[in-house]
Order: sequence, then structure tokens, then C-alpha cells
Amino acid sequence: RKEVEQDPGPFNVPEGATVAFNCTYSNSASQSFFWYRQDCRKEPKLLMSVYSSGNEDGRFTAQLNRASQYISLLIRDSKLSDSATYLCVVNGRNTGNQFYFGTGTSLTVIP
Amino acid sequence: NAGVTQTPKFRVLKTGQSMTLLCAQDMNHEYMYWYRQDPGMGLRLIHYSVGEGTTAKGEVPDGYNVSRLKKQNFLLGLESAAPSQTSVYFCASSYPSAGRETQYFGPGTRLLVL
Repeated sequence: RKEVEQDPGPFNVPEGATVAFNCTYSNSASQSFFWYRQDCRKEPKLLMSVYSSGNEDGRFTAQLNRASQYISLLIRDSKLSDSATYLCVVNGRNTGNQFYFGTGTSLTVIP
Repeated sequence: NAGVTQTPKFRVLKTGQSMTLLCAQDMNHEYMYWYRQDPGMGLRLIHYSVGEGTTAKGEVPDGYNVSRLKKQNFLLGLESAAPSQTSVYFCASSYPSAGRETQYFGPGTRLLVL
């Protein structure tokens, strides 16, 4: 079983729409959770960390459900510039230095 | 600041050839990482380093070696390249933060092994 699983999509949504991505992780001992964004043929960049109580950064909201081992990312009022692949990232079981990446969910925002 | 840089950006190798990928960071980060990214697999950790002179194996270390002789540089070596090592290689660095590190990635090296 993969450490981190994501729906690969693609998600094609119109501008202004709200879209949600989900991610599940296999190790209940994982402590740290993140969403990274990766544009086509570019390097990943941190979008936001995910905290236990949930957190918001502008149009982006991240939620963590430890009981279900589930992380979500909600994007409100989608912009064309949100088109990218969104990577779910979880820290490893044995040390905090190993991070496991999901395969990513592709989002295209359509004019 | 240049951030994290990688050399080369693109390389074609023949099976059995060797090469070294160079990663450099100017942010004085303690931690550095090498990942590979393949379609349908996501990024997978090859090796990482928590400080100058130290290295550790990640998820997929076979066929690769690394060295961290200077804090700002992390080298990834392929002694005898195989077609299965065709991939995009990303280097990253971070400050230590008890598992909450923000990783800063380089632009990647695209490697094709024929």
C-alpha cells in the first residue's frame, strides 16, 4: 500500500468554482502534513502546511482528519493561475526527515 | 539569493556510463535531499543529509551514491547508469524543524539513459 494516495484527476473547473482535493495516508504515526503545488515541468513549491485544527490561507483551506487518516484541500473562487498539480505530502514513520509525496492531483481552471 | 540550483539541467547517458549531479544551496540549510520523480509514482526520496559529512538512505537508494563534503553542496552519483534511472531528479534543502520542514526545491535535472 502506498504511503500517500491521491485522486490523480484531472479536475477541470470553471473560473470562480470551488474545488476540493482529498488525500489519504497509511501511517497513523505521521505527524506533519503539507500541500505542495507543482506547475508543469517545474519544481514543487510549498502551498501550505496542514494543522490539526485546520487552517486557511486566503482562498485555500486545509483540513486534517487523523481518525480517518485523511487530508483535504479546498480552493474557493478558482483562478486561472491555480492550474497546476497539487501534491499531498506526509512525513515518514521512523524519522521526521523522510517525506512521502502523493502522485498529485491535476487541476485545470477554464476561462 | 539563488536558492537551490542544480547542474546539469538535462543529460543523456548510455547504459553503463557514470555521472554526478550537483546540487547547491545558498540558504545555509542543514538538511538536503535528493528525489526522483516518475510518472504515476510521485516524488521518491533517494538519499538525504542532515548535515555536512552525513548522509542517509531514503526510499529508493539502490544504484545511487551521495556525498555532502560541504554544507552548501549535495552530490548525487550514478556509477553505472541503467534505463530504469531515466527520471527527473530534484534536489531540496530545508532548515531542521522537527519534521515540519519546508523544503525548497531546485529546478530539476532531466536524465535520459539509453
